[in-house]
Amino acid sequence: IAGITQAPTSQILAAGRRMTLRCTQDMRHNAMYWYRQDLGLGLRLIHYSNTAGTTGKGEVPDGYSVSRANTDDFPLTLASAVPSQTSVYFCASSEDSSGANVPTFGAGSRLTVL
Amino acid sequence: GQNIDQPTEMTATEGAIVQINCTYQTSGFNGLFWYQQHAGEAPTFLSYNVLDGLEEKGRFSSFLSRSKGYSYLLLKELQMKDSASYLCAPMDSNYQLIWGAGTKLIIKP
Repeated sequence: IAGITQAPTSQILAAGRRMTLRCTQDMRHNAMYWYRQDLGLGLRLIHYSNTAGTTGKGEVPDGYSVSRANTDDFPLTLASAVPSQTSVYFCASSEDSSGANVPTFGAGSRLTVL
Repeated sequence: GQNIDQPTEMTATEGAIVQINCTYQTSGFNGLFWYQQHAGEAPTFLSYNVLDGLEEKGRFSSFLSRSKGYSYLLLKELQMKDSASYLCAPMDSNYQLIWGAGTKLIIKP
């Protein structure tokens, strides 16, 4: 693993199903983020974690949950998927959460909820 | 509220120069990032400005005026591979990035 890895790359999911998007980084970054990207809109922050063991809500947290049991992993869970959660999801990490620490993005997970 | 404004789409010719503008309003300010995103790919970092002025990095330069809430990304000697979306993202007082919708840059031969 080099950098930040997301899985799955893409997924089609029936509404009402539970889904976990995985994110792993090997850079020992303290801060991690989950964004969604929809056509015509900027990246929107779902949840973030400034350090292992802590999480926080972003701009659009409803319907999503996260955990940060260790430094490397930051899974995003949709407890009961709805069609409005169809989007491209990006995980990102940075050395810490302040100033000039540059977020590095994973390749993204394309999720379609039918 | 927090707001980012950048043009939706721009077209330029290979070999030319293009300037992509971004105006922003945020609650506090801790610098501004520019990212490049090719279609279907992840955003990749281009530049970071925290003080007023021009930062030059090869063919790409980025300018910031904090008093005007304004930044631009200048791309010189355009190449076909520069066709991408360019995302402006100021960082607010909570160190959260606020993302614009991006400017899609189309390069024509």
